[in-house]
Amino acid sequence: QKEVEQNSGPLSVPEGAIASLNCTYSDRVSQSFFWYRQYSGKSPELIMSIYSNGDKEDGRFTAQLNKASQYVSLLIRDSQPSDSATYLCAAVPYGQNFVFGPGTRLSVLP
Amino acid sequence: GAGVSQSPSNKVTEKGKDVELRCDPISGHTALYWYRQSLGQGLEFLIYFQGNSAPDKSGLPSDRFSAERTGGSVSTLTIQRTQQEDSAVYLCASSPRDRGRITDTQYFGPGTRLTVL
Repeated sequence: QKEVEQNSGPLSVPEGAIASLNCTYSDRVSQSFFWYRQYSGKSPELIMSIYSNGDKEDGRFTAQLNKASQYVSLLIRDSQPSDSATYLCAAVPYGQNFVFGPGTRLSVLP
Repeated sequence: GAGVSQSPSNKVTEKGKDVELRCDPISGHTALYWYRQSLGQGLEFLIYFQGNSAPDKSGLPSDRFSAERTGGSVSTLTIQRTQQEDSAVYLCASSPRDRGRITDTQYFGPGTRLTVL
């Protein structure tokens, strides 16, 4: 059974702080990883994808992947109230379907 | 350009009735996925279409659920004899390439909120 685990939260951080969202996965053959943001009542939208070990930065967002530890994280620098949402992690084994985690609810306090 | 569209946005039905949910993927996208999301839960994979290949139906929860994709574009998800536990948001996503390559991202539609009374 392939599983992706995330803390459900809520994770509360003050405005301007760094928010750290974590995700672990059970399938060693997972190759592609995605972070989606989902506002309440809306559909998921892509934040970042990462395929290789290490860090990948895009604006205020940094994704970190460690395949040996089966761990992927998302850092949000200078958090804003508009970042308050549920963040979904997905792991994808080669040639197979996305496996989504349950999501972490982030609340950025003004 | 136009994104993934779904209709209806909301559907309220009585237990035992059949419902059809529609998805229009992004033009040119060959892969199409259906997911279900219950309140406060993650995404549950239902079915995957890629071109003219046989669909991956491994996520369909029962034989009351079926889906088709006509002409490699529009898809319809049908739920027969609906039950209260079918109440959820049904999300469709499309992707420009199939999952056999480095997986390309999925673009989600706005979803259909289904309520079974």
